[in-house]
Amino acid sequence: NAGVMQNPRHLVRRRGQEARLRCSPMKGHSHVYWYRQLPEEGLKFMVYLQKENIIDESGMPKERFSAEFPKEGPSILRIQQVVRGDSAAYFCASSVSSGGEAFFGQGTRLTVV
Amino acid sequence: QKEVEQNSGPLSVPEGAIASLNCTYSDRVSQSFFWYRQYSGKSPELIMSIYSNGDKEDGRFTAQLNKASQYVSLLIRDSQPSDSATYLCAVRGTSYDKVIFGPGTSLSVIP
Repeated sequence: NAGVMQNPRHLVRRRGQEARLRCSPMKGHSHVYWYRQLPEEGLKFMVYLQKENIIDESGMPKERFSAEFPKEGPSILRIQQVVRGDSAAYFCASSVSSGGEAFFGQGTRLTVV
Repeated sequence: QKEVEQNSGPLSVPEGAIASLNCTYSDRVSQSFFWYRQYSGKSPELIMSIYSNGDKEDGRFTAQLNKASQYVSLLIRDSQPSDSATYLCAVRGTSYDKVIFGPGTSLSVIP
């Protein structure tokens, strides 16, 4: 049973480009969470999704950031017109139910140059 | 604003000792509590979950929850150098609530 899969593991983008981060939850999991972690800092909640629904996006910046979790396929975190401050590790976690334990993927390290 | 607080450390303990990690949370209606371990440059790894007041033991790890005091702790017995990592406390309010993480406590186990 594969764990949470994130790709790419490392992503380099120039300022102004778009970044697309993908997350495939564990088999049987329909709840996905995205977090951002800056170096030497804690995990900051961004968005919580269930299949085809955004449950809580209170941690998402109002502009340039969006997330989706379609009926088929992985969850996508999209960052438009990236800036240097977007450089961070982005982690995805999934759970089987709304109150269940959340398991993390390996993360995507985004570097904006 | 719901908050989760932890001592940032670093906490240093000698090999074989008990390491005690503490966490407090602000949302009184929180129902689910988790401890994660994160090695430098790696992703968080779930160690334990606890939902009811009292102690829960799993191997060398014991989680303790006191909802009245809004306090949760993690004890690591017979600490090993491989336990050296950052330990993250995480709290969820009710179902369909997000999981909020504390800033983490850095633990160093000295051989």
